[in-house]
Amino acid sequence: EVQLVESGGGLVQPGGSLRLSCAASGFTFSSYWMSWVRQAPGKGLEWVANIKHDGSERYYVDSVKGRFIISRDNAKNSLYLQMNSLRAEDTAVYYCARDSSGDNYAREDFEYWGQGTLVTVSS
Amino acid sequence: DIVMTQSPDSLAVSLGERATINCKSSQSVLYTSINKNYLAWYQQKPGQPPKVLIYWASTRQSGVPDRFSGSGSGTDFTLTISSLQAEDVAVYYCQQYYSTPRTFGQGTKVEIK
Repeated sequence: EVQLVESGGGLVQPGGSLRLSCAASGFTFSSYWMSWVRQAPGKGLEWVANIKHDGSERYYVDSVKGRFIISRDNAKNSLYLQMNSLRAEDTAVYYCARDSSGDNYAREDFEYWGQGTLVTVSS
Repeated sequence: DIVMTQSPDSLAVSLGERATINCKSSQSVLYTSINKNYLAWYQQKPGQPPKVLIYWASTRQSGVPDRFSGSGSGTDFTLTISSLQAEDVAVYYCQQYYSTPRTFGQGTKVEIK
């Protein structure tokens, strides 16, 4: 059974930093791209970033470029999101999601999601 | 960036009746070389993560009831719930995975009339 479990959320002051983690199990983690998707309270879904199987490619939504860093440790089956210079508008539930296998023409929707971790940026 | 626009923002449907949600992309999400639309539909219930219902615009995810169906191609897509059940009350999102950044529609809230 595929499981994704996020942790690391909490209350942080504007300008502060936080590191989110996502522990993966039930599939070959090193074979998949992984994504972070967030959802502000009462709002819709926003894709934040993704990372290739081996970490060699990373992509970000414009609003977090230069502030967030996505990374992974395949030996630990873990995905991370380092969030720096946090702003009130970063307040959201952050989900990790399994992305594409990277095979030609493989499905690239988010078939599996974690339960999410809440990040609140407030003074 | 590809902008995804859903309509309506909300709808109320009687139990057993049909619910139809539309999604329009600002550019085509059809990968013509393989004739696949890079579009998915998700259902999200309160306090839960999203759940994929449909991918490739019309392929039903395993375990999803067959009252859910997806259609459309290019820039115009539809999610249909053929006979609304109480457990279908949720917010539904379309999402394109044709290009990065992956983008979602704003969501459509489905309620019981």
